[in-house]
Amino acid sequence: AQTVTQSQPEMSVQEAETVTLSCTYDTSESDYYLFWYKQPPSRQMILVIRQEAYKQQNATENRFSVNFQKAAKSFSLKISDSQLGDAAMYFCAYRGGSNYKLTFGKGTLLTVNP
Amino acid sequence: NAGVMQNPRHLVRRRGQEARLRCSPMKGHSHVYWYRQLPEEGLKFMVYLQKENIIDESGMPKERFSAEFPKEGPSILRIQQVVRGDSAAYFCASSPPRGGSGNTIYFGEGSWLTVV
Repeated sequence: AQTVTQSQPEMSVQEAETVTLSCTYDTSESDYYLFWYKQPPSRQMILVIRQEAYKQQNATENRFSVNFQKAAKSFSLKISDSQLGDAAMYFCAYRGGSNYKLTFGKGTLLTVNP
Repeated sequence: NAGVMQNPRHLVRRRGQEARLRCSPMKGHSHVYWYRQLPEEGLKFMVYLQKENIIDESGMPKERFSAEFPKEGPSILRIQQVVRGDSAAYFCASSPPRGGSGNTIYFGEGSWLTVV
């Protein structure tokens, strides 16, 4: 079974600084997708960024980028120029290429200090 | 294009009552998923439905929980005879048919069930 591990229960960053959230996963599949979701205090689940395993290029969405290391099964999220609105719980998630289920990590609570 | 719509956002039930949660998928999406988030946990898969079909209910508790996605109308997650341990956030998500939008699943805002 696939597992997703987020080893940092909490992280904090100063406004305008950069922070990296870690995620590792375990799978025997070669085709899969990885996601980072953000859950702000409103508790809505918001897709931040996605990565297809077959793509070597790391995904980027504005201030958010990933470092995808397929061999190491690592998928970290980098947030540049952190803003107060980035404060949230961040979940890493895995989805197999032939599957529909998302497997989530336990989350990392990010605090942004002014 | 409206997102995934869930209602109610908050629901309080006494032990033994029934809870009924509704979900309307995004326009053009025919696949619906229900996930549960217990306090301090990530989301856990419960059930996957297509119109009039339950595709995978492997994450659903065997008793008291049921889900449907009728030909017309929203998907419904029903919890009968609720207990305190059912208190959680229930998220609905939807995706287009295979081949569209690259397998991204979009979540609703969640329904928070509190059992007192």
